[in-house]
Amino acid sequence: EVQLLESGGGLVQPGGSLRLSCAASGFTFSNYGMNWVRQAPGKGLEWVSSISGSGTSTEYADSVKGRFTISRDNSMNTLFLQMNSLRAEDTAVYYCAKPPGGFDKYFHSWGQGTLVTVSS
Amino acid sequence: EIVLTQSPGTLSLSPGERANLSCRASQSVSSSYLAWYQQKPGQAPRLLIYGASGRATGIPERFSGSGSGTDFTLTISRLEPEDFAVYYCQQYGSSPRTFGQGTKLEIK
Repeated sequence: EVQLLESGGGLVQPGGSLRLSCAASGFTFSNYGMNWVRQAPGKGLEWVSSISGSGTSTEYADSVKGRFTISRDNSMNTLFLQMNSLRAEDTAVYYCAKPPGGFDKYFHSWGQGTLVTVSS
Repeated sequence: EIVLTQSPGTLSLSPGERANLSCRASQSVSSSYLAWYQQKPGQAPRLLIYGASGRATGIPERFSGSGSGTDFTLTISRLEPEDFAVYYCQQYGSSPRTFGQGTKLEIK
């Protein structure tokens, strides 16, 4: 059974940094591109970033480009999101999401999410 | 960027009725790369439909997707009490992947 467990969320001041983690199990992690999707309180879903199975290819939404960095450690089956220069508008639940196939670009399996609150 | 517009914003129906949810794209969605998700309060989204009309594993047959180009529809043939939730469409044919703003399906 696929399991995705996010951690690392919390309260951070504007301009601060936070690193999110997503521990994956139940599948061959390195065979799958992985993703971060966020949802601001009471709002809709927003794709944030994706990384290939090998980690050599990454994509970012314009809203986070230059501030967020996605990475992965395939030896530890873990996905990361380094978030710098955080803004109030980054406040959201951040979900780790896995596609059904290694190169698919939609999302079959989701974690439970971790809440990031950017506020002074 | 492809903008997806979902309508209506809120749909009020009774159990047993048929629901039609619309997703319109600002430009053609490549290869019908359009997915639908269901989200209930406090839960992560759940994949329902991919490729505009493919039903994801374990999704009941009352859920169906149709459409191509710029116009897509999610149909729930006969509403069950557990179907009342928020529904999102997502296109994945062009970068960046984008979601619609959601349709809330509520009990009338």
